[in-house]
Amino acid sequence: DTAVSQTPKYLVTQMGNDKSIKCEQNLGHDTMYWYKQDSKKFLKIMFSYNNKELIINETVPNRFSPKSPDKAHLNLHINSLELGDSAVYFCASSQDTIPGETQYFGPGTRLLVL
Amino acid sequence: AQTVTQSQPEMSVQEAETVTLSCTYDTSENNYYLFWYKQPPSRQMILVIRQEAYKQQNATENRFSVNFQKAAKSFSLKISDSQLGDTAMYFCAFISQGGSEKLVFGKGTKLTVNP
Repeated sequence: DTAVSQTPKYLVTQMGNDKSIKCEQNLGHDTMYWYKQDSKKFLKIMFSYNNKELIINETVPNRFSPKSPDKAHLNLHINSLELGDSAVYFCASSQDTIPGETQYFGPGTRLLVL
Repeated sequence: AQTVTQSQPEMSVQEAETVTLSCTYDTSENNYYLFWYKQPPSRQMILVIRQEAYKQQNATENRFSVNFQKAAKSFSLKISDSQLGDTAMYFCAFISQGGSEKLVFGKGTKLTVNP
C-alpha cells in the first residue's frame, strides 16, 4: 500500500486555468507538507499543516491555497495558473512537527502549464 | 538563514566501486538533523539516511554511511559497492531543532552508476 499518494501524477493545462492536486497519507501522521521542485531540481517547502492547521506558509503567491479536510489529506488548489507554475509538486508527511522526524514523500505531480 | 550546499552537480562511479557525495551547511544552531534523500528517475523521494547532530557516531544504513564533521559543518554520503539502482539525484537536507521546522534542501547531486 502506498504510504503517501498524490493524484494526478501528471497534469497538463492552459494558462489561466484553475487546478487541484490531491494528497493522502495512510501512515497516521499528524503533519503534511507541500513542496515545489523547479526545473533545476531545487526543492523548496511551500506549506505545512499539523492536524488540519496551517503552520508553515512560505512566500507563495496567494493563487496557491492548501486545504486540509482531515489530517490524512492535504490538497493544493492553484488559481489562474501561470507558466512559472510548471514544476513537480511533492506532498510529504511526518509523524508530527518535531524537527528531525522523517518526512515521507509522495511520488510527485508533474504540472505543465502551456 | 540555514543553507545547504552540494558542490558536485554531477558524479559518476563504476558499479561495485565506492563514491562520496559532499554536503556542507551553514547554521548557527547547535541542535539539528541532517538527511540524505535519493530521487531516482521515477521521481520518488526516498530517505537514505538520517543523522542527529548531537550524536557523534556516524549513521550507517547498509551500503550507505555518512561522515559527519560538526565543526566543519560537513555531512558527506559514502556509497559502497555501488549498484546500478543507486543511479539517482541525491539531496542533502537540514532541519534545525528549534525554530521554523522547515526542511532545507541542497540543490542535489546527480549520480550515475556505470556498468
